[in-house]
Amino acid sequence: DVKVTQSSRYLVKRTGEKVFLECVQDMDHENMFWYRQDPGLGLRLIYFSYDVKMKEKGDIPEGYSVSREKKERFSLILESASTNQTSMYLCASSLSLAGVLETQYFGPGTRLLVL
Amino acid sequence: AQSVTQLGSHVSVSEGALVLLRCNYSSSVPPYLFWYVQYPNQGLQLLLKYTSAATLVKGINGFEAEFKKSETSFHLTKPSAHMSDAAEYFCAVSLGAGNNRKLIWGLGTSLAVNP
Repeated sequence: DVKVTQSSRYLVKRTGEKVFLECVQDMDHENMFWYRQDPGLGLRLIYFSYDVKMKEKGDIPEGYSVSREKKERFSLILESASTNQTSMYLCASSLSLAGVLETQYFGPGTRLLVL
Repeated sequence: AQSVTQLGSHVSVSEGALVLLRCNYSSSVPPYLFWYVQYPNQGLQLLLKYTSAATLVKGINGFEAEFKKSETSFHLTKPSAHMSDAAEYFCAVSLGAGNNRKLIWGLGTSLAVNP
């Protein structure tokens, strides 16, 4: 079974702090994704990566950055946390089959509260 | 723009009743279609997926979905709802290939099951 783990289930940070969210997958997937989930807005893609050291902006990248130094690990960084970044953050990974995105496997999520 | 529409952000059924969650997409035939489920305080997990093999797809927990090209729909059904089916359900479409690959998400439907 694919396993995607996220470093924290719950996190409380202060405005202006730098925040690191870590995600690790154990199935050698080339694709990794960071989403945020807010009530009524569904899943919104922040950043994704199709390969090591490669990153692409998603729909809402402002205020975030990412790092993928190793294939199994994809980190999301909030450079200076703000209250409007309070949200549930979900990491996912997937293979590509014939270049098409396959099933995404999700971590349990990190619920971040910024005070 | 390509999109996925889930009709009804909230659906309520009685235990034992038919579950019908609607999903329509705006595109030509997509490579893949997915339904995911999210139980409270958890990440998303795959219920089922369509990959152009058979139009009627069976998934876990008694759910199934039928791909209808003429209606651009991929509605999710279950003949008899259980209390444990109460969750958030997301429809997603995998479009494009190679550098144009992307996953488009619906906003989700919250299913409540009444005793």
